[in-house]
Amino acid sequence: GAGVSQSPSNKVTEKGKDVELRCDPISGHTALYWYRQRLGQGLEFLIYFQGNSAPDKSGLPSDRFSAERTGESVSTLTIQRTQQEDSAVYLCASSPAGTANYGYTFGSGTRLTVV
Amino acid sequence: GESVGLHLPTLSVQEGDNSIINCAYSNSASDYFIWYKQESGKGPQFIIDIRSNMDKRQGQRVTVLLNKTVKHLSLQIAATQPGDSAVYFCAETLNTGGFKTIFGAGTRLFVKA
Repeated sequence: GAGVSQSPSNKVTEKGKDVELRCDPISGHTALYWYRQRLGQGLEFLIYFQGNSAPDKSGLPSDRFSAERTGESVSTLTIQRTQQEDSAVYLCASSPAGTANYGYTFGSGTRLTVV
Repeated sequence: GESVGLHLPTLSVQEGDNSIINCAYSNSASDYFIWYKQESGKGPQFIIDIRSNMDKRQGQRVTVLLNKTVKHLSLQIAATQPGDSAVYFCAETLNTGGFKTIFGAGTRLFVKA
């Protein structure tokens, strides 16, 4: 597609429920990144994919968080047993190769609210 | 952990003036730096980048300066316009087997008409 697409754009969920966030990167972009942004704060790295594999998962905050990527395209970030501290905007970005040499193209994010 | 930080959380400038946004980074191994602009409700947008073997790079109305001696990065915006109002993030990229980009906390720029 023309840009990075994320869905849903907004998600309100009850504490304890599981959520899935979806990212469609730019076609042909082999690298895909997930970041979390709490209100008024910077971007917190979560995980990075090169193709379908994740060489760097160091940012996942707990074992409730997981992510996968298939077909070197769509990625889903799953948060199990959501907690209120999970409330944030989850941003996805992609780049042509795993070098970030061109910077990333970001989606508009999914705003997650856990009530 | 290591992070990129900003000296000023907010900056208010008069329309037409030049803006300077500063950033300090902590990892001397970082070899690539980017400035992003984020408008309300949108994802960050790439503005300009610079490699560690350079100390200055110019774009359209923007200039990035890199001082590796003191691990300092700055973004200069010439003739600031109301449309420049946003949060600006500096970011450094590390090769950790993949390429991890660490973002700073951001500076909010207000442009007064």
